[in-house]
Amino acid sequence: EAGVAQSPRYKIIEKRQSVAFWCNPISGHATLYWYQQILGQGPKLLIQFQNNGVVDDSQLPKDRFSAERLKGVDSTLKIQPAKLEDSAVYLCASSPLGDYEQYFGPGTRLTVT
Amino acid sequence: GNSVTQMEGPVTLSEEAFLTINCTYTATGYPSLFWYVQYPGEGLQLLLKATKADDKGSNKGFEATYRKETTSFHLEKGSVQVSDSAVYFCALSTYNQGGKLIFGQGTELSVKP
Repeated sequence: EAGVAQSPRYKIIEKRQSVAFWCNPISGHATLYWYQQILGQGPKLLIQFQNNGVVDDSQLPKDRFSAERLKGVDSTLKIQPAKLEDSAVYLCASSPLGDYEQYFGPGTRLTVT
Repeated sequence: GNSVTQMEGPVTLSEEAFLTINCTYTATGYPSLFWYVQYPGEGLQLLLKATKADDKGSNKGFEATYRKETTSFHLEKGSVQVSDSAVYFCALSTYNQGGKLIFGQGTELSVKP
């Protein structure tokens, strides 16, 4: 069974530029999560989808971050414009409906200069 | 709100030493508890989990027991190996928060030969 796929693996941008990350969850997993992991900290949830609906986006900085999961499968997370403090690893995870065990992708390491 | 507190690292041990990484939590309701591991250059992997009080999760020689009376989920291993060097994250999820994971800050373990 293929795992959670993410791309790109690494991205370097200048502040005020925009960037997008892509995630393809494990086939059949209804729930998809985006987490932000700042160096030296544990991951923090940005947004949670169930199928193509948003379950929780309370920690998403909506003035600059957006995310979508249009067909209930893959998802994109966008930052526009980026700030220095957005430098982090962005992790995508998925889980089957009703199961709290989450499967994580390799992450995208973003550096904002 | 719900939170997880881990002992700070880094922790440095000699091969075959006994390992304990402390984890305590604060949660409303009845959380599920997890230990995730992040090996250098890799994504987060579930190490073990426990879903109710007094459950013991175990995997790869690691164990943790869900202690409701002390709100703890300490990770232990009787004899660590160099290959156990990684960052370990304690986490919880609750049904009333949609299953999102709340992580501790992580504990870096370095095992020397």
